[in-house]
Amino acid sequence: AQSVTQPDIHITVSEGASLELRCNYSYGATPYLFWYVQSPGQGLQLLLKYFSGDTLVQGIKGFEAEFKRSQSSFNLRKPSVHWSDAAEYFCAARGGGGNKLTFGTGTQLKVEL
Amino acid sequence: KAGVTQTPRYLIKTRGQQVTLSCSPISGHRSVSWYQQTPGQGLQFLFEYFSETQRNKGNFPGRFSGRQFSNSRSEMNVSTLELGDSALYLCASTLRGDTGELFFGEGSRLTVL
Repeated sequence: AQSVTQPDIHITVSEGASLELRCNYSYGATPYLFWYVQSPGQGLQLLLKYFSGDTLVQGIKGFEAEFKRSQSSFNLRKPSVHWSDAAEYFCAARGGGGNKLTFGTGTQLKVEL
Repeated sequence: KAGVTQTPRYLIKTRGQQVTLSCSPISGHRSVSWYQQTPGQGLQFLFEYFSETQRNKGNFPGRFSGRQFSNSRSEMNVSTLELGDSALYLCASTLRGDTGELFFGEGSRLTVL
């Protein structure tokens, strides 16, 4: 079955520290991959996407993600975290027709000042 | 450019009642998707509509239904509400074909008592 796994439920980092959120997918072929962020009481905002080509993709708010086919991973990174980055982050994949996305369970990021 | 608009934002219903949620996509977007978000199950795909036709459906009972109008606005309906239907219902629209690049509304928070 198609699935997206985010192994870390909660992550706490200090402001200014680097961040890496993990995401693994299980699909027959390489799906389209996404990272979304959700602040409390809000909808989801697209951070970045990977369709094909360059395996390092840049997104908004200083985030980037690297696609690694050999590891079926699409990890999200940020060199220096800001307190406003505290939110829940979701990895998602589109593997079939239409726009149906399969989401991971999310990683809650806490930023310590 | 206005984003995805969902109404109502909050509502409380009792078991056995039905509810209708509305979604207005971003102007020009023709695909509308619905997701249910709960703490226990995370984000789960409900259905997707494109040009007034349902083209994807998730694993939800028939009590959950939706439709799309000619102006791309969409509604979803849940009949015979159960306590477990309490959730944040998110609507998303997309412009560019079947990329999975979704733009989400802020959601409708349904509480079933």
